[in-house]
Amino acid sequence: AQSVTQLDSHVSVSEGTPVLLRCNYSSSYSPSLFWYVQHPNKGLQLLLKYTSAATLVKGINGFEAEFKKSETSFHLTKPSAHMSDAAEYFCVVSEHTNAGKSTFGDGTTLTVKP
Amino acid sequence: NAGVTQTPKFQVLKTGQSMTLQCAQDMNHNSMYWYRQDPGMGLRLIYYSASEGTTDKGEVPNGYNVSRLNKREFSLRLESAAPSQTSVYFCATRGFMTGPNTEAFFGQGTRLTVV
Repeated sequence: AQSVTQLDSHVSVSEGTPVLLRCNYSSSYSPSLFWYVQHPNKGLQLLLKYTSAATLVKGINGFEAEFKKSETSFHLTKPSAHMSDAAEYFCVVSEHTNAGKSTFGDGTTLTVKP
Repeated sequence: NAGVTQTPKFQVLKTGQSMTLQCAQDMNHNSMYWYRQDPGMGLRLIYYSASEGTTDKGEVPNGYNVSRLNKREFSLRLESAAPSQTSVYFCATRGFMTGPNTEAFFGQGTRLTVV
């Protein structure tokens, strides 16, 4: 069984300040982990992924995440927020089994203030 | 290269009506999924298909049926729509379960309102 907990439902930052979105996971296997972003009334876009290579993963638009097995965490960070970063962010864990089902966190809404 | 295509994009149904949401992929992926997204919640798995000819229930299957018509197409049917099925529906595919390319690819969603 697998599960994902996003620790903050809402995060608000000022433009130019760092962003931290927290995610803890539970998985019976060595997991594949992902962060997706969803802008209002849009589909889901992959930000970055961890697939058992490097533990520090760089993604698009300056985002990165660090896989910490000992803490079962996969937190998303960005050094400097931009107004265009305002969106919903989802942490996702996926199985390595034949079905490859994905389990989503409940999402974190990021607000960026001018 | 269209990726994952869902139709329709928007739909309004009356309670008790039926409809089928269509999903087609041109990525040659074996696994396909249907999710629903409700406010304040992540995507929840309705049904999935690990390969052509197989389908299985996900987390929230009640009120839905699916058909994996061939490798490309995976449809979701609401036999008798209820207001609780008002949601945004996403189809997704996944090609690899291990290695560097294991992410799922999503359609643009179908916004369904049941009145």
